[in-house]
Amino acid sequence: NAGVTQTPKFQVLKTGQSMTLQCAQDMNHEYMSWYRQDPGMGLRLIHYSVGAGITDQGEVPNGYNVSRSTTEDFPLRLLSAAPSQTSVYFCASSTLSRGTYNEQFFGPGTRLTVL
Amino acid sequence: DAKTTQPTSMDCAEGRAANLPCNHSTISGNEYVYWYRQIHSQGPQYIIHGLKNNETNEMASLIITEDRKSSTLILPHATLRDTAVYYCIVRLPFYSGGGADGLTFGKGTHLIIQP
Repeated sequence: NAGVTQTPKFQVLKTGQSMTLQCAQDMNHEYMSWYRQDPGMGLRLIHYSVGAGITDQGEVPNGYNVSRSTTEDFPLRLLSAAPSQTSVYFCASSTLSRGTYNEQFFGPGTRLTVL
Repeated sequence: DAKTTQPTSMDCAEGRAANLPCNHSTISGNEYVYWYRQIHSQGPQYIIHGLKNNETNEMASLIITEDRKSSTLILPHATLRDTAVYYCIVRLPFYSGGGADGLTFGKGTHLIIQP
């Protein structure tokens, strides 16, 4: 299993540009999520999904869109990049059993800089 | 207010057991205790989780006090590769309203394993 993969590893954008951060998992996990981590800070949940066709907002959803057309893929779209979106973005996936989060597997992260 | 309190840093000698405490005095009856760690600039790594019983896996043991107001993560034979920031998190089950309540990392404990 490749686990959770993210592309690209690094990205530099100009203010106003849009882009998609890719996330894929090959573990048949129903739950997937996107977090951002700013320097010296903890994780903040952006969006999450509990299955294909089902997505919902986390703590900091503004400026980001997601979709989940398959179990495996959960892309994150930045609509119009702003310097405040400079961060490290992590995708994570897990199973849910009896409504409990099990082990969440994290990808290696995408380091995004918005100029 | 932070849900958990952890020491800022700890040292442990290689080969010894590392005992990391966490205070979660306001934990509710159905919140789980999770431990994750993050090695510099990598994605977080799941360690263990539990509700009220002690848990053990191949990485660590989790000891939760009877009143559930505190817990201890034990790494039985610490190695240099265990140097990381360790996060103790309390989290509601997904179907109890924990959906948008992501993994909230506080400051964590910076564990340094000394050779």
